[in-house]
Amino acid sequence: NAGVTQTPKFQVLKTGQSMTLQCAQDMNHNSMYWYRQDPGMGLRLIYYSASEGTTDKGEVPNGYNVSRLNKREFSLRLESAAPSQTSVYFCASSTPAYNEQFFGPGTRLTVL
Amino acid sequence: AQSVTQLGSHVSVSEGALVLLRCNYSSSVPPYLFWYVQYPNQGLQLLLKYTSAATLVKGINGFEAEFKKSETSFHLTKPSAHMSDAAEYFCAVTPQGYSSASKIIFGSGTRLSIRP
Repeated sequence: NAGVTQTPKFQVLKTGQSMTLQCAQDMNHNSMYWYRQDPGMGLRLIYYSASEGTTDKGEVPNGYNVSRLNKREFSLRLESAAPSQTSVYFCASSTPAYNEQFFGPGTRLTVL
Repeated sequence: AQSVTQLGSHVSVSEGALVLLRCNYSSSVPPYLFWYVQYPNQGLQLLLKYTSAATLVKGINGFEAEFKKSETSFHLTKPSAHMSDAAEYFCAVTPQGYSSASKIIFGSGTRLSIRP
């Protein structure tokens, strides 16, 4: 039981490049989330998916797209990376009870 | 609307001293409340949660938190700090009876340092 896994762990991009961050969970959770973490700002929600086939914008969705491929997988895409997207990205999934969230180990992204 | 305020972005205590990390919330409906811990270069993991069953909640690693409705607070405490407690701590809130459209709101975090 791996919980929530994310790939890659580290990535360096040049401005304008694109990439997809992958996330998978094996806990049979319906809801999945993408957050970014920046110093002094806590976690900010980018997008979330309440169930397979649905996605919704969070607090900071601009510059990102998501795909809920199936119940297990939820990917985050940067179409044209910008230095402002340098951050640590966390994927999470949550239980139906209490909305308790389980986090992946994160992806550290640097955009030059 | 929900919000969470963590007082103090950085707290430093001596090993063996009391740890107190403060969290105040604002919610229009009764909330569920959480404390998460993040060790360096890792994701967040749940320390404890309040789900209205009991106002004093015990978590992992000797931490506990008390829900005080009158003060809209959910402060995290540990009687005796250990060097391994050095980490960042996040308070979070989500409304009870949440729908799939509800989200969890995180505070900005408190970094806990332990002095030898």
